[in-house]
Amino acid sequence: GNSVTQMEGPVTLSEEAFLTINCTYTATGYPSLFWYVQYPGEGLQLLLKATKADDKGSNKGFEATYRKETTSFHLEKGSVQVSDSAVYFCALTLGGSQGNLIFGKGTKLSVKP
Amino acid sequence: EADIYQTPRYLVIGTGKKITLECSQTMGHDKMYWYQQDPGMELHLIHYSYGVNSTEKGDLSSESTVSRIRTEHFPLTLESARPSHTSQYLCASSESGFGGGEQFFGPGTRLTVL
Repeated sequence: GNSVTQMEGPVTLSEEAFLTINCTYTATGYPSLFWYVQYPGEGLQLLLKATKADDKGSNKGFEATYRKETTSFHLEKGSVQVSDSAVYFCALTLGGSQGNLIFGKGTKLSVKP
Repeated sequence: EADIYQTPRYLVIGTGKKITLECSQTMGHDKMYWYQQDPGMELHLIHYSYGVNSTEKGDLSSESTVSRIRTEHFPLTLESARPSHTSQYLCASSESGFGGGEQFFGPGTRLTVL
């Protein structure tokens, strides 16, 4: 079946540290891949996405590259800020008439000043 | 800007009460979804709809029910609330067809059943 596996948290970093959150997927077909972010007390927001192999999604200093050969979509940021503290979800969809999202379990990031 | 609204944001209610969680979107999206988010943050799809008069159960069995009488409105109802229903409920919507798959989320309703 289709699934998303992301690294378990919580992840605690100091401000300006480098961030990587690993995400791998299993899919029957050619999925679109997403990273969503959930700030405390809020719903999810789309952070970035990639719709085909080798695409790089980027937003707010975050990047992720769609790697078909390793079935991965790792999230990276060169220098995290306290305001990046949130829960990050990796997700995929196979689109089409249904297009339901399949989420990973989420990774909580805490950035200390 | 994407607009999807949920009310109430917080609800504390006694066991046995009937409740309805409201969700509305102004984007004209055909697809709408309800997720239950447990304290460990994991999201579980409990209901979805592909359009008016269409409702389907999601991956996680839920005692709640939904209706879709209007495109913009997708309320969730619990006929008799129990403490096991205590959770965060998130509503989302998306375009039809292969529109990139992005879902837009509301702010959530945090339900506590005493």
